[in-house]
Amino acid sequence: EADIYQTPRYLVIGTGKKITLECSQTMGHDKMYWYQQDPGMELHLIHYSYGVNSTEKGDLSSESTVSRIRTEHFPLTLESARPSHTSQYLCASLGSNRGAYEQYFGPGTRLTVT
Amino acid sequence: EDKVVQSPLSLVVHEGDTVTLNCSYEVTNFRSLLWYKQEKKAPTFLFMLTSSGIEKKSGRLSSILDKKELFSILNITATQTGDSAIYLCAVKYGGSQGNLIFGKGTKLSVKP
Repeated sequence: EADIYQTPRYLVIGTGKKITLECSQTMGHDKMYWYQQDPGMELHLIHYSYGVNSTEKGDLSSESTVSRIRTEHFPLTLESARPSHTSQYLCASLGSNRGAYEQYFGPGTRLTVT
Repeated sequence: EDKVVQSPLSLVVHEGDTVTLNCSYEVTNFRSLLWYKQEKKAPTFLFMLTSSGIEKKSGRLSSILDKKELFSILNITATQTGDSAIYLCAVKYGGSQGNLIFGKGTKLSVKP
C-alpha cells in the first residue's frame, strides 16, 4: 500500500544530542517536504527536495539539515538539539505526474528537547 | 510578504449546525488554494480550487474561491462530532514546484 511514514512518532531527548527524524514514502514521488508546526500555529516549510541529490531550505530558517540520497527517503538531522527545537515535524510528498496537486502528509514526529 | 489568514481561529458548534470557515490570502503568483483537515495525525486533503466561482463539493463539505477578492470559504453542513478537527488553508504559489504557504488553521469543535 502506497504511503508515507515517519519515525519516531514521539521523541523526548536531552539538549545537545544529535537526532535524525526519518521520512519514507512508497509512492515514488519526486518532491518531498519538511514542515515545522508549533501548537496553534501554521505549518512552516523548512526544507524541500525536488529529487535525488536536490535539497533546498524553505521559508522558515532552521538549524536542521536534510539529505536525499534515495527517492523514497528524506531524513532530517539536528546535530545538537536545543529546547527551541521542540515542535511537531511533518513530512510530505508530491508526485510529478500531471494532475498531482496535493501533498500527502506523514503522521508527524513530535519532538521534545529537555 | 506572502500570507494566508484564516478565521475564526477556533469555533465551537453543536451537531447539526452549519459552519463557514474563511481563508484570505495575499500571495504572489497564486496558482491554487487547498483545504486540508488535520485531526491528531497528518493533514488530509479535502479540496483544491483554481478557478473563481466554481464550487467544489464532497458530501456535507463544499468550498468556493473568489480570486478577485482573494478569499475562499469552506462550508460544512449538518456538522457531526467527527468533523471536529483543525481545518488548514494553503496556497500553492508560482515559481516553485508544489510549495505551499499555510494559514494557522481553524480549530472546529462539534459538541453532541
